[in-house]
Amino acid sequence: DAKTTQPNSMESNEEEPVHLPCNHSTISGTDYIHWYRQLPSQGPEYVIHGLTSNVNNRMASLAIAEDRKSSTLILHRATLRDAAVYYCIGYNFNKFYFGSGTKLNVKP
Amino acid sequence: ETGVTQSPTHLIKTRGQQVTLRCSSQSGHNTVSWYQQALGQGPQFIFQYYREEENGRGNFPPRFSGLQFPNYSSELNVNALELDDSALYLCASSQRDRNSPLHFGNGTRLTVT
Repeated sequence: DAKTTQPNSMESNEEEPVHLPCNHSTISGTDYIHWYRQLPSQGPEYVIHGLTSNVNNRMASLAIAEDRKSSTLILHRATLRDAAVYYCIGYNFNKFYFGSGTKLNVKP
Repeated sequence: ETGVTQSPTHLIKTRGQQVTLRCSSQSGHNTVSWYQQALGQGPQFIFQYYREEENGRGNFPPRFSGLQFPNYSSELNVNALELDDSALYLCASSQRDRNSPLHFGNGTRLTVT
């Protein structure tokens, strides 16, 4: 199983960078690492994903360790709208494994 | 582009009953997966459907079953409901490609009394 482990909660100040870690030591070589975030009463929203290389998009950056046992989601400038539960998942072709997520609190 | 829609949004059932939840995929997507999310927990993968067949399943008993239709919409059926089945049920659609992100609906809140 591509199980993932994340801290339960993190806190950040508005306009500052946030680094959200995820351990996925059992991930296989073909598993993509996906990140999603979820606001209350909504379904998860896609943030970013990658396989081996670091990835950037308009929302965030994803830094993947060389051994692929961990990754870090980077929000370059946190806003109040970024307050959510962030999940990293091991995405194996036929199964998806969500961790318990990190609740991000952003202080104004 | 129409997103993923789920119905109903809320549902109350009695223990022992059966329930059917529905999901319409995002346009252009051919794969649907279902998740159970208990309060305060992360989503747990139930199963995935592609070309109308189940092709991946999590640790859920057989009383959780599903269907995918030719238009890629899907149903989740749960028989013999138990109190612990109370949860938010999420559906996600995607392309059948490991490099394809999941697009989630906002879920159906099921309460079993």
